[in-house]
Amino acid sequence: ILNVEQSPQSLHVQEGDSTNFTCSFPSSNFYALHWYRWETAKSPEALFVMTLNGDEKKKGRISATLNTKEGYSYLYIKGSQPEDSATYLCAFMNTGFQKLVFGTGTRLLVSP
Amino acid sequence: KAGVTQTPRYLIKTRGQQVTLSCSPISGHRSVSWYQQTPGQGLQFLFEYFSETQRNKGNFPGRFSGRQFSNSRSEMNVSTLELGDSALYLCASSNLGQIQETQYFGPGTRLLVL
Repeated sequence: ILNVEQSPQSLHVQEGDSTNFTCSFPSSNFYALHWYRWETAKSPEALFVMTLNGDEKKKGRISATLNTKEGYSYLYIKGSQPEDSATYLCAFMNTGFQKLVFGTGTRLLVSP
Repeated sequence: KAGVTQTPRYLIKTRGQQVTLSCSPISGHRSVSWYQQTPGQGLQFLFEYFSETQRNKGNFPGRFSGRQFSNSRSEMNVSTLELGDSALYLCASSNLGQIQETQYFGPGTRLLVL
């Protein structure tokens, strides 16, 4: 059974703080890692798709890194804003089980 | 381009009934995947359809089935509903269903089984 773990489970920061979360996944037979942002009452929105060890992706104030050898990915948000409040999901796929396996997410709340 | 749409958005059923949920992908997308989310659980993969064929299936009982039409619209059916089927059901579409492709999610159908 593939297990994807995200930490922390929830996070409350002040506007302007920078923050980061972790996604841990099995390191063998890695295929791809996806990050999504899911705001309340909206659809999950794709942030990044990462496929190569050492990948770094950036979208505005949000960036992500990938270490497939040790089985983790970090998502960073620089200068958090209230509109960044959402649940951040990661999803992993390996070559043997070619379906996305999602973590339970990190719920971020940014207070003004 | 219109996004992924799902109907209905909310549904209340009783145990033993069956339900059909619908998903219309983004125009031109041929892959549709279905996920279930229950409280405290991550999104659980149900199945994926591509060009009217089920290409992948998750670990759900046979009560969960689906199909895809020639216009790529997909339906998911759950028969003999159980209380534990109460969940948010999301569908996602992508062009070819390849792993490096972004998946676009719909708003979901929230099913309550009483």
